[in-house]
Amino acid sequence: DTGVSQNPRHKITKRGQNVTFRCDPISEHNRLYWYRQTLGQGPEFLTYFQNEAQLEKSRLLSDRFSAERPKGSFSTLEIQRTEQGDSAMYLCASASGLRAGELFFGEGSRLTVL
Amino acid sequence: RKEVEQDPGPFNVPEGATVAFNCTYSNSASQSFFWYRQDCRKEPKLLMSVYSSGNEDGRFTAQLNRASQYISLLIRDSKLSDSATYLCVVNSGGGADGLTFGKGTHLIIQP
Repeated sequence: DTGVSQNPRHKITKRGQNVTFRCDPISEHNRLYWYRQTLGQGPEFLTYFQNEAQLEKSRLLSDRFSAERPKGSFSTLEIQRTEQGDSAMYLCASASGLRAGELFFGEGSRLTVL
Repeated sequence: RKEVEQDPGPFNVPEGATVAFNCTYSNSASQSFFWYRQDCRKEPKLLMSVYSSGNEDGRFTAQLNRASQYISLLIRDSKLSDSATYLCVVNSGGGADGLTFGKGTHLIIQP
């Protein structure tokens, strides 16, 4: 499968713990996005990389959130000191930039904070 | 006013019927528009881009009305498999490709 891969698919953690999600984009895609989605809402933009450079972060992204894409390939999203409000589906998407607006999403990592 | 607004539905439609829903956007400088489809507990997938002249892909037709700042999606001869949430996406330029997703319209096709 050469699509976008995310791990873990599900994560249950206690409030205050740190969690990390990984995203492996489609190999030739230089753009990588992280979104958050809660029930009944559309995906909300969190952050965006072009190659290894993090070009934009949403105001939604508090200091507890950090994302990296060290070699311009896979990316990680870390949430420190998790709160119950962090419970959501975290979606990663990649794009080649050749066709504007065409994002390829992974299946997401569902976080539940108890 | 929210950047991208959609009627959340649900729209309950009998199989074979035609259904249409709209999406309004607030930024008049928005440059490009898309419809994504999201099945229950699945990831969003691009359904179609929306061009100024309107475009059609099989049973699906997308239209753009810049004067009134809305886009529409029309589905003809609806199938049970069309049941999904349809997300309106607007590109307003700027960083991260400026892509803003609506909350989605939930469509249920009934046999």
